[in-house]
Amino acid sequence: DVKVTQSSRYLVKRTGEKVFLECVQDMDHENMFWYRQDPGLGLRLIYFSYDVKMKEKGDIPEGYSVSREKKERFSLILESASTNQTSMYLCASSLSYGAFFGQGTRLTVV
Amino acid sequence: AQRVTQPEKLLSVFKGAPVELKCNYSYSGSPELFWYVQYSRQRLQLLLRHISRESIKGFTADLNKGETSFHLKKPFAQEEDSAMYYCALLSGGYQKVTFGIGTKLQVIP
Repeated sequence: DVKVTQSSRYLVKRTGEKVFLECVQDMDHENMFWYRQDPGLGLRLIYFSYDVKMKEKGDIPEGYSVSREKKERFSLILESASTNQTSMYLCASSLSYGAFFGQGTRLTVV
Repeated sequence: AQRVTQPEKLLSVFKGAPVELKCNYSYSGSPELFWYVQYSRQRLQLLLRHISRESIKGFTADLNKGETSFHLKKPFAQEEDSAMYYCALLSGGYQKVTFGIGTKLQVIP
C-alpha cells in the first residue's frame, strides 16, 4: 500500500517567514506533485518533479520553490510567506494508474 | 492546454435517487481520466479511472470522446457517498494531473 506522508498536519507561520513543507513517499515513484486546495478553486498544481533534482512549474508557481534531492522526498518552500498563501497543501506521488495523496498540511500565515 | 470542468459546485440528492456528477475536459491528445473522492477529514483518494472500466462502490464513469465528457454515475445514492468529488486528467510525458474544481455531493437521508 502506497504511503505518502507530509511532515505536518497543521502549521502557523508569520508573514515573511521562510516555510518548508516536507513530503515523503515509500513506493519509489518518479513523479511527485505539490498542490494547494482552496474552496471553490479545487486543486491547483504548484510544482511537480519527474526525477531527482528535476522540477517543472505548475499553474501557480509564484512565491514557491521546490527541492528534490532524493527520490522519496519532495519539499515545497515558501520563500517569504504571505497571508494569501494560507491554504491546504497536498503532496502526491503517482504512476500512470493514479496519484496517491498525503493527508495534507493546513498552513495559516498570520 | 488541458482543462477539466466540473460545472456544479454542489449537488444534493435524496438517498436512493440516481447521481450524476458532470465532468468535461479539454485536451488535444488521448486523455486518461480519473475520479477522485475526498470524504470528510480523510485524504484524497482514487475512486476510478476510465482505462480500467471498473465499478467502485457502485459508481461508474464512461469516457465519451465525442462530447469530451467523463460523467460519474451511480443508480442509487447512499448517505456514505456524501463527499467531495474531483475529476482529473492525466497528460503529457511527465504524467501531470490536472483537476477540476470539485463537486460536493450531499446525500439527504
